[in-house]
Amino acid sequence: EAAVTQSPRNKVAVTGGKVTLSCNQTNNHNNMYWYRQDTGHGLRLIHYSYGAGSTEKGDIPDGYKASRPSQENFSLILELATPSQTSVYFCASRLGSQNTLYFGAGTRLSVL
Amino acid sequence: GDSVTQTEGQVALSEEDFLTIHCNYSASGYPALFWYVQYPGEGPQFLFRASRDKEKGSSRGFEATYDKGTTSFHLRKASVQESDSAVYYCALGDPNTGKLTFGDGTVLTVKP
Repeated sequence: EAAVTQSPRNKVAVTGGKVTLSCNQTNNHNNMYWYRQDTGHGLRLIHYSYGAGSTEKGDIPDGYKASRPSQENFSLILELATPSQTSVYFCASRLGSQNTLYFGAGTRLSVL
Repeated sequence: GDSVTQTEGQVALSEEDFLTIHCNYSASGYPALFWYVQYPGEGPQFLFRASRDKEKGSSRGFEATYDKGTTSFHLRKASVQESDSAVYYCALGDPNTGKLTFGDGTVLTVKP
């Protein structure tokens, strides 16, 4: 089974501060994804990547940046955090061409 | 754009009841369809998928049949258990980018 590890698991940030959420996968998957989960909205795609050095905008990219420095690591960056970005964030990697995504356990972010 | 609609936001059942969660989709082309399950404190887990019209996906007693005519992929289980209590997500997959578009989720609560 694919292993996707997120850190930190919980984060409290101040409005206007910079936040970096990290994701690591050890299964050599090319594609990686960042979603946020909010009650009433399900899971919404923020950014994704096809491989090292690549980042693409998802459905709700505003206020977020992404970085894919290596095959294993994919970060989500909030340069100026706002309370509306309080959410649970999930990273996922994709196995082959069958669209099956494997998710990490999530990061709960609170922006005060 | 692509979208997924889950009719039921919450479902409450007793053990051994029959479960149906309705999922309808809107997409250009011929997407793959998925069901994911999420337990408290964890990321979504792949349950099963179907890629072609009339194909049935199944896992752990759950099943759904891809119906292109009615654009549906309803989740069913003949006899639920308390351990099935979780959030269930229907999703469709973009064959080019690999990204998944999720419905809003259905909270299933099963009472003993």
